[in-house]
Amino acid sequence: SQQGEEDPQALSIQEGENATMNCSYKTSINNLQWYRQNSGRGLVHLILIRSNEREKHSGRLRVTLDTSKKSSSLLITASRAADTASYFCATVGSNYKLTFGKGTLLTVNP
Amino acid sequence: EAGVTQSPTHLIKTRGQQATLRCSPISGHTSVYWYQQALGLGLQFLLWYDEGEERNRGNFPPRFSGRQFPNYSSELNVNALELEDSALYLCASTSLWTSTDTQYFGPGTRLTVL
Repeated sequence: SQQGEEDPQALSIQEGENATMNCSYKTSINNLQWYRQNSGRGLVHLILIRSNEREKHSGRLRVTLDTSKKSSSLLITASRAADTASYFCATVGSNYKLTFGKGTLLTVNP
Repeated sequence: EAGVTQSPTHLIKTRGQQATLRCSPISGHTSVYWYQQALGLGLQFLLWYDEGEERNRGNFPPRFSGRQFPNYSSELNVNALELEDSALYLCASTSLWTSTDTQYFGPGTRLTVL
């Protein structure tokens, strides 16, 4: 079963706009990670946020984590056409296993 | 530094055949993970190897098996292929000695079962 569930399933925006994706999970976690996947290719790690952190930034990425609500959000600011991809959240439990959500397909229109 | 590599890139098999997929982790990484990404099912954890041993297994039948070699590379074998085994198979590596749990992914092997 999927631990993380991303919302929305698909998001279409214009270049320059911000994109926000949400992720909910069910069990306790050590950390939560966001990955990006360009069409049919391997995953690229974007950012990791630990369970004792509330917010983290990396370039145009901002991730928040609310462990009381078991949710996280990924914000991509000033989006570019090259940001078009699927974005997955993944939770890590005590067994080091990544459990992925089904992903959000982001389309950034030039 | 070379990333995770996987071979072959594409593999076409027929029902009932066996498929062997290979993965080479990043140098210094001892853990290898295998995931299946089938259409409509998302990324599903298959197997985890560390230091040559199977550490964890996802909810897949026994015809999915693998091994890890002394150089930490890994092989995934799928026996008695079924049509629904068609998917992108991703390998990832990490080092349990580091403080992060980030997994680094290869480009994947796309398996098509006809």
